[in-house]
Amino acid sequence: NAGVTQTPKFRILKIGQSMTLQCAQDMNHNYMYWYRQDPGMGLKLIYYSVGAGITDKGEVPNGYNVSRSTTEDFPLRLELAAPSQTSVYFCASSPSGLAKPYEQYFGPGTRLTVT
Amino acid sequence: AQSVTQLDSHVSVSEGTPVLLRCNYSSSYSPSLFWYVQHPNKGLQLLLKYTSAATLVKGINGFEAEFKKSETSFHLTKPSAHMSDAAEYFCVVTLSGGYNKLIFGAGTRLAVHP
Repeated sequence: NAGVTQTPKFRILKIGQSMTLQCAQDMNHNYMYWYRQDPGMGLKLIYYSVGAGITDKGEVPNGYNVSRSTTEDFPLRLELAAPSQTSVYFCASSPSGLAKPYEQYFGPGTRLTVT
Repeated sequence: AQSVTQLDSHVSVSEGTPVLLRCNYSSSYSPSLFWYVQHPNKGLQLLLKYTSAATLVKGINGFEAEFKKSETSFHLTKPSAHMSDAAEYFCVVTLSGGYNKLIFGAGTRLAVHP
């Protein structure tokens, strides 16, 4: 059972370039999330999804886009990368249902540097 | 609005001594609270969670936390630190509005010395 997987592990982008961070989970979770973690800070929610075809903004969505075409995959797109997007990005998933709260399961992270 | 404050950014203890990581929360409703641990260059792992069933919550690796509503606190403790406990610890509260969204504290880095 792989859990939540993220690719790539590391990436260096030039200002203005774009890229997609991949996230996949094999636990059949409906809820998925993208976070960024800046040095010395907790995680901030970028976007989340409650099921295939349904996404919504979190605390810090500017400069990012997401899509959710399947239950398993939740890619995060960076358009026109900026130095402010240098961060570690975590994807997470959780079950859904009435018996809240549910634990979120985290991937290993993608370390992104924009120069 | 919900928020979480971790009172110490760094805590240093000797191996075998007790650990106390402090967390205060603010919530306009009865919250759910978590402690997550992040080892260097790793993802986050759940230590324990409070869901209103019991105020003293036991987690993995000998950690526990006590929910004190009157003090709006959820401090994490362990009787005896181990070298492998060195990591970043996050106190987390659920955000109102559903969908299991979370708000993270800034984290406490725990160092354990021999």
